[in-house]
Amino acid sequence: DQQVKQNSPSLSVQEGRISILNCDYTNSMFDYFLWYKKYPAEGPTFLISISSIKDKNEDGRFTVFLNKSAKHLSLHIVPSQPGDSAVYFCAAREEGGGADGLTFGKGTHLIIQP
Amino acid sequence: NAGVTQTPKFQVLKTGQSMTLQCAQDMNHEYMSWYRQDPGMGLRLIHYSVGAGITDQGEVPNGYNVSRSTTEDFPLRLLSAAPSQTSVYFCASSCILDRRVTDTQYFGPGTRLTVL
Repeated sequence: DQQVKQNSPSLSVQEGRISILNCDYTNSMFDYFLWYKKYPAEGPTFLISISSIKDKNEDGRFTVFLNKSAKHLSLHIVPSQPGDSAVYFCAAREEGGGADGLTFGKGTHLIIQP
Repeated sequence: NAGVTQTPKFQVLKTGQSMTLQCAQDMNHEYMSWYRQDPGMGLRLIHYSVGAGITDQGEVPNGYNVSRSTTEDFPLRLLSAAPSQTSVYFCASSCILDRRVTDTQYFGPGTRLTVL
């Protein structure tokens, strides 16, 4: 049973436009969410996170939105740049947990077209 | 600062062979972990450690052993490789603050393992 779902295996966006990556979760105990970015032949790197007490967190071109009632979060990248082409993983954990309790989604491959 | 390093980058094994995937970090992180990533799957936790001498099982521990004799190193052993263990393996580390593992982890570049 997949508790963290990224239903779009891939997404293609034109350079300069907005990229929106979606993530849904089923476990209502999840209260902290992270996005990781992964380039080919490299390990994932932390991108941005959000706690369930917030509904938005912004860091430069990256914004994560959380809709707790819908159990849905999304990552917005504005404007999209060629270097944003990567696989993006959504991850979640329950209250009081840490990295040892993370559940990852399958990832979305973002392709930024020139 | 090298961060998290993994060796080898690539490995091909025959069914039944054994091998050890090496992982080292130079950030003095107490927490280290091993994940596997399969096509179309997210990262799944194999084993983890919260300090030297302490290890525990993650979501998919069967077929793997770990040990943590030093803070820096966390090797993953496959005692008898099986084709189902063909995967990309990532090692990661993070701090422990106030007795809780911090959320953000630093990942190594991965080891791509093929078992024939």
